[in-house]
Amino acid sequence: DTEVTQTPKHLVMGMTNKKSLKCEQHMGHRAMYWYKQKAKKPPELMFVYSYEKLSINESVPSRFSPECPNSSLLNLHLHALQPEDSALYLCASSQGGVWSNSPLHFGNGTRLTVT
Amino acid sequence: EDQVTQSPEALRLQEGESSSLNCSYTVSGLRGLFWYRQDPGKGPEFLFTLYSAGEEKEKERLKATLTKKESFLHITAPKPEDSATYLCAVQAAVDYTGANSKLTFGKGITLSVRP
Repeated sequence: DTEVTQTPKHLVMGMTNKKSLKCEQHMGHRAMYWYKQKAKKPPELMFVYSYEKLSINESVPSRFSPECPNSSLLNLHLHALQPEDSALYLCASSQGGVWSNSPLHFGNGTRLTVT
Repeated sequence: EDQVTQSPEALRLQEGESSSLNCSYTVSGLRGLFWYRQDPGKGPEFLFTLYSAGEEKEKERLKATLTKKESFLHITAPKPEDSATYLCAVQAAVDYTGANSKLTFGKGITLSVRP
């Protein structure tokens, strides 16, 4: 079991749907991340929140909208996605802020399929 | 631009046959090199952080080493349960924006250990 919990584990949505992915950690980590991973590829960074503020947005399309309600929770709101957005979406956290070199701890991801 | 190259892409070992996985990197000032293990359909699991050349870390059958240009993950007497994809990532020196604090991942090495 990981200490970063993601829900749901699987999600199937149509291109007109609105859905949200959720991530939670109780390790007291101050940075939280969203990554996207396609099959047989390394994770690709999407967003970073450091001390609950958006620090990095890797030019992600606006159909992906992150939210950090508090230091333990991270959401990713999805709207009008395309089939090519189907992937494993990973949440991670790290002890320090975005500028620290502490390791990332990943959740087990949400497998998203867009039909 | 930071680069990480992992080799070989895939490695098949017999149980008990020791070997090494390579991670070559170029980075403008290394702040940390990270090894992760990823099982199919799961998130990456943190293994080691190495911060400076000459550093070594061990965990069970795994030993990670670091030079100024590459890192090795040595696997001693592997077992079938060591089968996974092993990811290497580097973090560069941080500028005032924090933007280059993000990890650069290699493409991973898929290890299969036959009983």
